[in-house]
Amino acid sequence: DIVMTQTPLSSVVTLGQSASISCRSSQSLVHSSGNTYLSWFHQRPGQPPRLLIYRVSNRFSGVPDRFSGSGAGTDFTLKISRVEAEDVGVYYCMQGTQWWTFGQGTKVEIK
Amino acid sequence: EVQLVESGGGLVQPGGSLRLSCAASGFSFTTYWMSWVRQAPGKGLEWVANIKQDGGDKYYVDSVKGRFTISRDNTKNALYLQMSSLRAEDTAVYHCARLDFGASVRAFDSWGQGTLVTVSS
Repeated sequence: DIVMTQTPLSSVVTLGQSASISCRSSQSLVHSSGNTYLSWFHQRPGQPPRLLIYRVSNRFSGVPDRFSGSGAGTDFTLKISRVEAEDVGVYYCMQGTQWWTFGQGTKVEIK
Repeated sequence: EVQLVESGGGLVQPGGSLRLSCAASGFSFTTYWMSWVRQAPGKGLEWVANIKQDGGDKYYVDSVKGRFTISRDNTKNALYLQMSSLRAEDTAVYHCARLDFGASVRAFDSWGQGTLVTVSS
């Protein structure tokens, strides 16, 4: 099984500043198709997760351009620019290359 | 607007059974793979099972194989999860999720609020 490891597990960010979350997979996420199936989700308290980014760097419908994804192979990053109050919650990375597994989550709080 | 509404959760004793349902609306149900993803209280997310558009292909995480069965009724736009031989570690909120299994995405793009399953004596 592919294990996904996120760092940090928690982060306190000042409003208007940037935040970055790292995600590392235990093996390459490059699929036989040549695509890399790494996604990011955001879960607010009491809400279901919401898809933000798919295939490393593609923003899902309606996701603000403050959110960006990057990376390749086994190392990936989610960057949140100009953090807003609504960005609080837990962020998860997920691989879809070999079945589906999630990272442990990164809790983001606003200062 | 895509809506996924789960029901059927509750308290069940270890070894017992439960059937979860998910009512889907706002999209063409028959054109999507569907999934169950669970979240233990205060914990992270775990994919549980997927089912193809016509119900012909089904996949499960190893920990539920032989105990859980995913199914769907395309005439009712409904997804189900039959759970048996339940264990304490199955305690979680179970989310119904739409899976975009296309070559471009392979991710869960819509989620329901979830239904809580508690396995305890």
